Amino acid sequence: AQSVTQLDSQVPVFEEAPVELRCNYSSSVSVYLFWYVQYPNQGLQLLLKYLSGSTLVKGINGFEAEFNKSQTSFHLRKPSVHISDTAEYFCAVLKTSYDKVIFGPGTSLSVIP
Amino acid sequence: GAGVSQSPRYKVTKRGQDVALRCDPISGHVSLYWYRQALGQGPEFLTYFNYEAQQDKSGLPNDRFSAERPEGSISTLTIQRTEQRDSAMYRCASSLQSRSSGANVLTFGAGSRLTVL
Repeated sequence: AQSVTQLDSQVPVFEEAPVELRCNYSSSVSVYLFWYVQYPNQGLQLLLKYLSGSTLVKGINGFEAEFNKSQTSFHLRKPSVHISDTAEYFCAVLKTSYDKVIFGPGTSLSVIP
Repeated sequence: GAGVSQSPRYKVTKRGQDVALRCDPISGHVSLYWYRQALGQGPEFLTYFNYEAQQDKSGLPNDRFSAERPEGSISTLTIQRTEQRDSAMYRCASSLQSRSSGANVLTFGAGSRLTVL
């Protein structure tokens, strides 16, 4: 079975400070990895995805994530956050041989002015 | 359509009643997924379809939950004899690819918020 762990349920950070949201997954096979964002009262939308190739993936709104196979991690980073980044962030994993996308519990990012 | 459309957006029902939640995926999308999301938690997988075939229903909590996609487009998630614990946001998502090809990006609808009194 595969699972996704997001260790931090809430992350408060001051505006223009850097942020890292942690994600670890458990899987014995190759996976694809995703970060989705959910703004207040909205649906989920894709931030970025790792399929293969370069382990550093760039997404929308200045976010990036790095795939680390040995540590089974896919942490999300942004060097300078904005108020508008306040949202829930979900890490998700998909086994390459299957279609079921499994989501982590989410991290609530609150940007403080 | 332009996006994934779900209806109703809000549904309040009494315990014991049946409810049907509808999802209209993006035109041409092969795969359709149902997730349930409780407040403050991540989406929980319920079931998914490729075309009209239900590929995996392992996430359906019990036999009161069922889903269908008879013509490979619109899907209905039905909950019979609703209970208060069924209250949640039910989200539908669709994707273009039918098998894992690395491009299985999900496009989510706005969700249907179910409240069981």
